Amino acid sequence: DQQVKQNSPSLSVQEGRISILNCDYTNSMFDYFLWYKKYPAEGPTFLISISSIKDKNEDGRFTVFLNKSAKHLSLHIVPSQPGDSAVYFCAAGGRGGGSNYKLTFGKGTLLTVNP
Amino acid sequence: GAGVSQSPSNKVTEKGKDVELRCDPISGHTALYWYRQSLGQGLEFLIYFQGNSAPDKSGLPSDRFSAERTGGSVSTLTIQRTQQEDSAVYLCASSLAPRGYNEQFFGPGTRLTVL
Repeated sequence: DQQVKQNSPSLSVQEGRISILNCDYTNSMFDYFLWYKKYPAEGPTFLISISSIKDKNEDGRFTVFLNKSAKHLSLHIVPSQPGDSAVYFCAAGGRGGGSNYKLTFGKGTLLTVNP
Repeated sequence: GAGVSQSPSNKVTEKGKDVELRCDPISGHTALYWYRQSLGQGLEFLIYFQGNSAPDKSGLPSDRFSAERTGGSVSTLTIQRTQQEDSAVYLCASSLAPRGYNEQFFGPGTRLTVL
């Protein structure tokens, strides 16, 4: 069973608009959540994280929102730029994964930002 | 560079052959992870090394898979008698010893194709 779900395999937005990437999880024991970005032929790179004790974390154009009651988090990118086009992975870690080191990943969402 | 490196970047092999994949973690990172990403799937945890502790092998899919980490640095993932379903991108990551929130730094991956 998938503990971290990204139900949208792809998303297309116009440059300058907001991109909203969604992620749902099933295990309430997860302690923290991360977003990774992946370009083709490269490994994932860390983007932003949020602890389960917070509901928002912001870093420049990127903001992650966490709704624990709904077991849902989202990544907002404002304004979107063509260079943001990549696959975005949601990941969860902590006790929900059985340890403090295992990350459980979603399948990813391919974001395309059109000029 | 100072990042995680992996070799080879691509490996094509015939069914039944053995393969070895190599990972050089970031200097000073005591934790090392192997993941696998099959087509259309998220990252699947395979194995975790932390210092001199016994590795967590709970993610290895079969006994054809093994990994070792020599001297607390370089790691080798070995797949014996490869099968077509082993075709995937194998990603290595490293981190400082996990203390709660755990950001992992990924290498570019090795794309394995089993014919």
